[in-house]
Amino acid sequence: AQTVTQSQPEMSVQEAETVTLSCTYDTSESNYYLFWYKQPPSRQMILVIRQEAYKQQNATENRFSVNFQKAAKSFSLKISDSQLGDTAMYFCAFMKHGGKLIFGQGTELSVKP
Amino acid sequence: DTGVSQDPRHKITKRGQNVTFRCDPISEHNRLYWYRQTLGQGPEFLTYFQNEAQLEKSRLLSDRFSAERPKGSFSTLEIQRTEQGDSAMYLCASSPWDSTNYGYTFGSGTRLTVV
Repeated sequence: AQTVTQSQPEMSVQEAETVTLSCTYDTSESNYYLFWYKQPPSRQMILVIRQEAYKQQNATENRFSVNFQKAAKSFSLKISDSQLGDTAMYFCAFMKHGGKLIFGQGTELSVKP
Repeated sequence: DTGVSQDPRHKITKRGQNVTFRCDPISEHNRLYWYRQTLGQGPEFLTYFQNEAQLEKSRLLSDRFSAERPKGSFSTLEIQRTEQGDSAMYLCASSPWDSTNYGYTFGSGTRLTVV
């Protein structure tokens, strides 16, 4: 069975600074996908970024980028130039090909002015 | 199409009562998922449909829980004889067949409180 672990329950960062959220996962699959989702307070979950395991190049989406270390089964999210609107719960998630999303426990990020 | 809709947004019920939630997915999406999320935790998978077929159910889904998607469009999740441990946010999501490329689109959830 696949598992996803986020070891940082809470983090905070000053506005305009950079923060990195950690995620590790365990799987015996070779073909899989990794995701970061953002869940703002009392709002719906939205997709932030996605990585295909067979691609060595790290995914980037504007201020969001990942550091994907396949051998270490690590998938961290870096947020550059943090903004107040980035305050949210962030969930790392795993999906094997044709499977379902499996989520980590989440990291609550607070961006302080 | 305005995304995934869930109704109601909030539900308070007495222990032992039955409750039913509805999810309307994005119309082009043929996959629909139900998750349960308790406070401070990540969503836990409950079940999913491809069109009208229920393809997988979690062991978390006791026999008090049932889900349907009768015409491959909207879905309902029913909980019979509710217990306090059922209090949680119930999330619905939908995706195209190729969910790996697009991820899921989530609804705003139904928050259930069992008193």
